[in-house]
Amino acid sequence: NAGVMQNPRHLVRRRGQEARLRCSPMKGHSHVYWYRQLPEEGLKFMVYLQKENIIDESGMPKERFSAEFPKEGPSILRIQQVVRGDSAAYFCASSSLLAGANTEAFFGQGTRLTVV
Amino acid sequence: AQTVTQSQPEMSVQEAETVTLSCTYDTSENNYYLFWYKQPPSRQMILVIRQEAYKQQNATENRFSVNFQKAAKSFSLKISDSQLGDTAMYFCAFMILTGANSKLTFGKGITLSVRP
Repeated sequence: NAGVMQNPRHLVRRRGQEARLRCSPMKGHSHVYWYRQLPEEGLKFMVYLQKENIIDESGMPKERFSAEFPKEGPSILRIQQVVRGDSAAYFCASSSLLAGANTEAFFGQGTRLTVV
Repeated sequence: AQTVTQSQPEMSVQEAETVTLSCTYDTSENNYYLFWYKQPPSRQMILVIRQEAYKQQNATENRFSVNFQKAAKSFSLKISDSQLGDTAMYFCAFMILTGANSKLTFGKGITLSVRP
């Protein structure tokens, strides 16, 4: 039972390029969250998605950032025209959101994006 | 909106001693879950302990236990017999399970150092 899989683990992009970060949730999970973590800081919520729906994108920058979670395939966080300030670790978490003793969010290992 | 506050940016404890990490939260919901996550230098987010708000009994997991004060909206983590491997960032987090508010909200984290 594979955990949450994120790829790539490390991604280097030049300013102005596009970055695509992928997240495959745990089997059976239909809820995905994306978080950004700057060095020495906590996790900042970006977006919450269910299959084919964006539920809450209150943490997403208004421009250049988008996210999707299609019916088939992984969730994608897309950053267009990257800038140096986008350099961070991006974490994905998934949950089944079934209430009960096993309720929790499982995290991937993150993608470290470096913009040069 | 839900908020989670961790007011201590860092703490240090002697190996084998006990340390308590503080967390407060704010919500108008009655049913929710609280978590403590550990992030070691590897950056992997690891669930330490979970508390269901409707349970009065404090959760325990081996050397880790919580002091959950629902009326005070406080959720502190106690680590007994601290070990060098406990050195990490610790994040308090909050989750509810209803509709669009079903997201995991994190505090800013606390850096814990265990001294040999």
